[in-house]
Amino acid sequence: DVKVTQSSRYLVKRTGEKVFLECVQDMDHENMFWYRQDPGLGLRLIYFSYDVKMKEKGDIPEGYSVSREKKERFSLILESASTNQTSMYLCASSLEQERGYTFGSGTRLTVV
Amino acid sequence: GENVEQHPSTLSVQEGDSAVIKCTYSDSASNYFPWYKQELGKGPQLIIDIRSNVGEKKDQRIAVTLNKTAKHFSLHITETQPEDSAVYFCAASIGGNQFYFGTGTSLTVIP
Repeated sequence: DVKVTQSSRYLVKRTGEKVFLECVQDMDHENMFWYRQDPGLGLRLIYFSYDVKMKEKGDIPEGYSVSREKKERFSLILESASTNQTSMYLCASSLEQERGYTFGSGTRLTVV
Repeated sequence: GENVEQHPSTLSVQEGDSAVIKCTYSDSASNYFPWYKQELGKGPQLIIDIRSNVGEKKDQRIAVTLNKTAKHFSLHITETQPEDSAVYFCAASIGGNQFYFGTGTSLTVIP
């Protein structure tokens, strides 16, 4: 089975800090995604990538950036964390278009 | 872009009863509809999917139906068990590997 690993389950950061969320997948998937999950809002796409060094904005990219230097790793960066970025962050990967994702277990980020 | 609505937001059923979760989508070009189950403390897992050229798909106690004309699709779970308790998400894709998710249904199966 494909495994998508997110480096931290829980993080607490201070307002204004630069935050890195790391995601690694082990099955050579081209496509990787970052979502945030909030109650009543479902999953919202932040950024995605179809290839190394390639990135595309999703529906809510403001306040975030991403990095994909290697195929297996996709990092989400909060340049200056704010309290409204407190959320569950989910990384996902997929091999082909129109196939379901494999999600990581999520990182619950709290910004204080 | 695509808009996916999901109902109900919460659902409680007695063990052994059936559960139905419904989703509607707005873009008639959507052609792939996966369903995910998210257990507490875990990421969502794909449980079943359906493509627009198929009206129904079954996998043991789980089935999904699709009505393209009405632009809605539903998840049916029969003979529910306590381990079915989770949050379920529907999603729709118009291609290009980008999915639009519903807001989730929290299903509780009461023993």
